Order: sequence, then C-alpha cells, then structure tokens
Amino acid sequence: GQQLNQSPQSMFIQEGEDVSMNCTSSSIFNTWLWYKQDPGEGPVLLIALYKAGELTSNGRLTAQFGITRKDSFLNISASIPSDVGIYFCAGMNTGNQFYFGTGTSLTVIP
Amino acid sequence: NAGVTQTPKFQVLKTGQSMTLQCAQDMNHEYMSWYRQDPGMGLRLIHYSVGAGITDQGEVPNGYNVSRSTTEDFPLRLLSAAPSQTSVYFCASSYSSGNYGYTFGSGTRLTVV
Repeated sequence: GQQLNQSPQSMFIQEGEDVSMNCTSSSIFNTWLWYKQDPGEGPVLLIALYKAGELTSNGRLTAQFGITRKDSFLNISASIPSDVGIYFCAGMNTGNQFYFGTGTSLTVIP
Repeated sequence: NAGVTQTPKFQVLKTGQSMTLQCAQDMNHEYMSWYRQDPGMGLRLIHYSVGAGITDQGEVPNGYNVSRSTTEDFPLRLLSAAPSQTSVYFCASSYSSGNYGYTFGSGTRLTVV
C-alpha cells in the first residue's frame, strides 16, 4: 500500500501553545483529510481539502493542501486539554482509495 | 441518526474460532469499508464495498471475508481466528468512494488468544 509519513509521532505541549503536524507522501493525492481519534472511539473528520494550495479552517484548526499535492499540514492554535487525542491524516489517490498516516499522538499539559 | 453502529465492542476469541463483526449504517451510504488499527501502523483497509452486492479487497484481506446483501449492513467474518488478527477493527461509510470523508463506527477491540 501507499505510505503516508506523519510527523511528529507524538507531542507533549503546554496548554495554550500552538501545534503543528504534517503528512507527506511519495504519491500525488487528490484529497487530503484530517481526523481526530479520542480514546476508545473511531476517528472523526476535522477538515477536508480538495485543491492544491487550499487553506481551510475549522475553529482553532487550520489545514493546508500542499502545492505539490504530496503533503498536507495541520495547525492547532491555543491548545486546550480537550485537544488530546490521536490525529490522523488521510490521502485519496487517483484510484479513489484512501490511505491513512500512522497518527500523531497529542498530549496537552494543563 | 445512529450513524455507523458496530457490534460487539469487545471480543475475545480462541485461535481457530470464527466470528462475525457486525456493522450497520443508517445514512444510506453506498460506500462501506473495514479497517484494522494496530499500534504504529495507522489504519489499514481490509475490504470495501461500493454498493450492495459489490465487494473488493483492500490492503490486508487475508483471513477475512465480507458480503454486502443490503445497503445498510456490511459484516466482516473471521474464518479461523489467529493471534495476528488481534487488533481494533473499524467500519466506515461514505456517500461515495470517499471524496466526502468517512464516518467511522466506534470500533471493535478483538483479542485472539
């Protein structure tokens, strides 16, 4: 399967700090998605990106579809304790199949 | 709407046993899929279906069977459970093959001993 490299693997930050994570692929994708997974639950869609260069916000979250179509970025501003969880990127290729990154585990220290 | 419902939430099997993981959605989604989640490996696609009567293999299909007799249901069958199938299983659905993103169930945690 196609490999999506997500970094960092884990983050420990102070409440109020900003967070940045990214996802890179060796292949071109047509769609990038960002999900958050709370413990014991399934992933929940945060942001969807459909065009190269697209920048989309959802509250304190901002994601960008990389101009090369091989990467995407997620930023969280002014983190709060409920931001804790695992964040996954997912990319859809030209065959309409999604591939998921390995996840970034975020811990917010109050 | 209930969304995507998975049962059971937890299951312990002995090696060689068979079982079916249930998945149902009430959103009239055409596309349904099964993923397994293992530490450090993200979500890997097992099988998927683009509509009733149509199924196809994903990245890691060995040891699993699926069928799609109705739009709502997409069960996953383990034919002869192995310890390597210990994992968390997620069912997901979407309007189409995924361009709108998936709605996930809450998962089934399976342990094979």
